[in-house]
Amino acid sequence: AQKITQTQPGMFVQEKEAVTLDCTYDTSDPSYGLFWYKQPSSGEMIFLIYQGSYDQQNATEGRYSLNFQKARKSANLVISASQLGDSAMYFCAMREGRVSGTYKYIFGTGTRLKVLA
Amino acid sequence: AAGVIQSPRHLIKEKRETATLKCYPIPRHDTVYWYQQGPGQDPQFLISFYEKMQSDKGSIPDRFSAQQFSDYHSELNMSSLELGDSALYFCASSLGTGGATNEKLFFGSGTQLSVL
Repeated sequence: AQKITQTQPGMFVQEKEAVTLDCTYDTSDPSYGLFWYKQPSSGEMIFLIYQGSYDQQNATEGRYSLNFQKARKSANLVISASQLGDSAMYFCAMREGRVSGTYKYIFGTGTRLKVLA
Repeated sequence: AAGVIQSPRHLIKEKRETATLKCYPIPRHDTVYWYQQGPGQDPQFLISFYEKMQSDKGSIPDRFSAQQFSDYHSELNMSSLELGDSALYFCASSLGTGGATNEKLFFGSGTQLSVL
């Protein structure tokens, strides 16, 4: 079963508008972490934002915020005031429990965002 | 701030050749992960190391091997290369000691491997 689901393969947003990228997850581990990464066309994977399963407040990092709804198992990324440079692939990822010292990180299939001028 | 460094950035090989990819984690990071990302795909976990010991294994073919050295850098060795091995290979590092700030995974720029 898919552990991280990103249902939007592609999205468009007008410059300066806000956009929400969806992510749902599935885990039985009570302790987990949720991440969003941005991958521009150049290929590098850029860390955007992190939410821990025990965090009471939604994470925010500048124009990025994570809408964490634990009961629904969703961790949507909200980008406010979109910029042309936000055009990229966005991956949602989950950190599960530790295996012999390292965590297990699982990625969704990604959402390609295109910001329109 | 120092980031994860991968070399080479691009690599072109022929079928049945071998390749070695190198990864230098962020200073003080003791955990290294290797991922393979095919065109249009999400990153697939290959293998991880913690304190120079192999920690977890994912979908890594038997033709591939990896290790983490005393200075914490890691190398991914790939033999008998196949066309299907063409992909972007990422290395990522973190502090393996746990805790909310320590579990963030930081990626290198990746090595683009093309097998002809």
